Amino acid sequence: AQKVTQAQTEISVVEKEDVTLDCVYETRDTTYYLFWYKQPPSGELVFLIRRNSFDEQNEISGRYSWNFQKSTSSFNFTITASQVVDSAVYFCALSEAKITGGGNKLTFGTGTQLKVEL
Amino acid sequence: NAGVTQTPKFQVLKTGQSMTLQCAQDMNHEYMSWYRQDPGMGLRLIHYSVGAGITDQGEVPNGYNVSRSTTEDFPLRLLSAAPSQTSVYFCASSPPRPANTEAFFGQGTRLTVV
Repeated sequence: AQKVTQAQTEISVVEKEDVTLDCVYETRDTTYYLFWYKQPPSGELVFLIRRNSFDEQNEISGRYSWNFQKSTSSFNFTITASQVVDSAVYFCALSEAKITGGGNKLTFGTGTQLKVEL
Repeated sequence: NAGVTQTPKFQVLKTGQSMTLQCAQDMNHEYMSWYRQDPGMGLRLIHYSVGAGITDQGEVPNGYNVSRSTTEDFPLRLLSAAPSQTSVYFCASSPPRPANTEAFFGQGTRLTVV
């Protein structure tokens, strides 16, 4: 069975601090996909990134960066110079690669509530 | 471009009542799914569909029925609502190819069963 663990329930930082959100996953599949979603206070789910299991390159997008390490089954997310608008719940998710016709059976972590204060 | 549309946004039901949560997408996605979000538990998959006429159970299917008669619509039915079904429900869809691209989520339906 697949499992995603986000051990940090809540993190509070002061604006402009860097913050890393941890994600550890378990799967028996050799091919799988990892995702991060953001859920702001308004409640919608915003896609941030997808990474497949064959691509261990780290990725940077503006103030966001992701560190994927298969050796430790981790897919951590770092926000540099955090801002109040980054306050949200962040979910890490894992998808098996066996679904035909596309699509995702996503297994979500329990989420990390990030609060960025002035 | 509407994307994934869920109705209603809010609903209060009495125990034992039935209702249908509607989900429609206009992106011609083959794959659609329903999740529920509960505090401290993240999102959990209820049912999913890989195309019209094909549905399957997810992690927490009990108490819910689905059908997929068209590519666009994937309604979720609660036959006899229970307080344990109080939750926020999200519908999602994904493009047909390549597999495992991002899931597009609706805005959610907040359901309270009293």
